Amino acid sequence: ETGVTQSPTHLIKTRGQQVTLRCSSQSGHNTVSWYQQALGQGPQFIFQYYREEENGRGNFPPRFSGLQFPNYSSELNVNALELDDSALYLCASSWRAVETQYFGPGTRLLVL
Amino acid sequence: SQELEQSPQSLIVQEGKNLTINCTSSKTLYGLYWYKQKYGEGLIFLMMLQKGGEEKSHEKITAKLDEKKQQSSLHITASQPSHAGIYLCGADNTGNQFYFGTGTSLTVIP
Repeated sequence: ETGVTQSPTHLIKTRGQQVTLRCSSQSGHNTVSWYQQALGQGPQFIFQYYREEENGRGNFPPRFSGLQFPNYSSELNVNALELDDSALYLCASSWRAVETQYFGPGTRLLVL
Repeated sequence: SQELEQSPQSLIVQEGKNLTINCTSSKTLYGLYWYKQKYGEGLIFLMMLQKGGEEKSHEKITAKLDEKKQQSSLHITASQPSHAGIYLCGADNTGNQFYFGTGTSLTVIP
């Protein structure tokens, strides 16, 4: 196990709702990245936080937002959920932005 | 944006056989990571390659990086059912973005 935890494990929402996913980093790691993985595809980079600041962002709309807390845990917030947001959401932590990332088990989100 | 293409897309092998998975980048590779994913679960870090020509091994898995060809290969010797899963290559573009390949699904038949 990597020491990275995510909650909840599964979530069902309806279109238009908002959702918050949580991630607890591995001890000693100050960087968290979030990914969206649709069924049958590789993970897509959403954004990265380093010491509570957004440090990079992929091609996702502003309704995907995040936070990193002083203890380096993190949240991913998605507003105005769409059906295509249904996916496995993965977070990964690392010692620095360029270091090896260690992944949590993921949160599976279903939007109806 | 950087693209990572993996081949083959899926692979079915008999237990004990050797196999190779390839990852080709559309841009210069500054570092290449290999991960394994059990279906619907998180990713498990396997290896990281940073220098051209670098080769790393862990148990029966060997990965190589050919920087000039912008390509990496993952080779599994004497495959076992425990090797089954989805293998993903990943790379960062030094712009604080990380990209993954499309994945290779491996099935090992006992």
